[in-house]
Amino acid sequence: DVKVTQSSRYLVKRTGEKVFLECVQDMDHENMFWYRQDPGLGLRLIYFSYDVKMKEKGDIPEGYSVSREKKERFSLILESASTNQTSMYLCASSLVDVANYGYTFGSGTRLTVV
Amino acid sequence: GQNIDQPTEMTATEGAIVQINCTYQTSGFNGLFWYQQHAGEAPTFLSYNVLDGLEEKGRFSSFLSRSKGYSYLLLKELQMKDSASYLCAVSRNTGFQKLVFGTGTRLLVSP
Repeated sequence: DVKVTQSSRYLVKRTGEKVFLECVQDMDHENMFWYRQDPGLGLRLIYFSYDVKMKEKGDIPEGYSVSREKKERFSLILESASTNQTSMYLCASSLVDVANYGYTFGSGTRLTVV
Repeated sequence: GQNIDQPTEMTATEGAIVQINCTYQTSGFNGLFWYQQHAGEAPTFLSYNVLDGLEEKGRFSSFLSRSKGYSYLLLKELQMKDSASYLCAVSRNTGFQKLVFGTGTRLLVSP
């Protein structure tokens, strides 16, 4: 019954490291998203992909990049991790018709940058 | 731009009814979503409203007024398991697949 899987539940990385967060969905969804969730700020969109190799910047893309080489997999890359990127990262996927079913979220990766 | 407001916290008693409000100011508004998120877990989809009026799904109902930029989530016959955060999110006509979330309302249900 698992739908969206994020590779790590908890992650601790050092400042300056390159960090990869992986997300896989098994529902054949066209859209995939990366959000970060911070207390008092809610969920903020980092990047969005609507097809293989296609991506769009969200509201806070600075310091991040993404990769979607296969339909089921969407990776978030922190090029050089910084302490202000300590956060809960949530991956989501959806059909093109978001309305009827909304997003399906993964369980999240809590990243701490020290 | 967009602005979405929800109360930060609410408390209610088991068996009661609670209404969680969400107001938004969004250019090119398309529709409004409600999600439930238990502590430490992923948000789960509750409802979607695009037309004015009330949508009922069991104990949960969601209402939308497009002219007032206002929505609410109504939870009836509250149970302890309803203690969670409730997230309001809007979609816009352009880039409608990208949702913009409010900061969420944490609901605590007490016995």
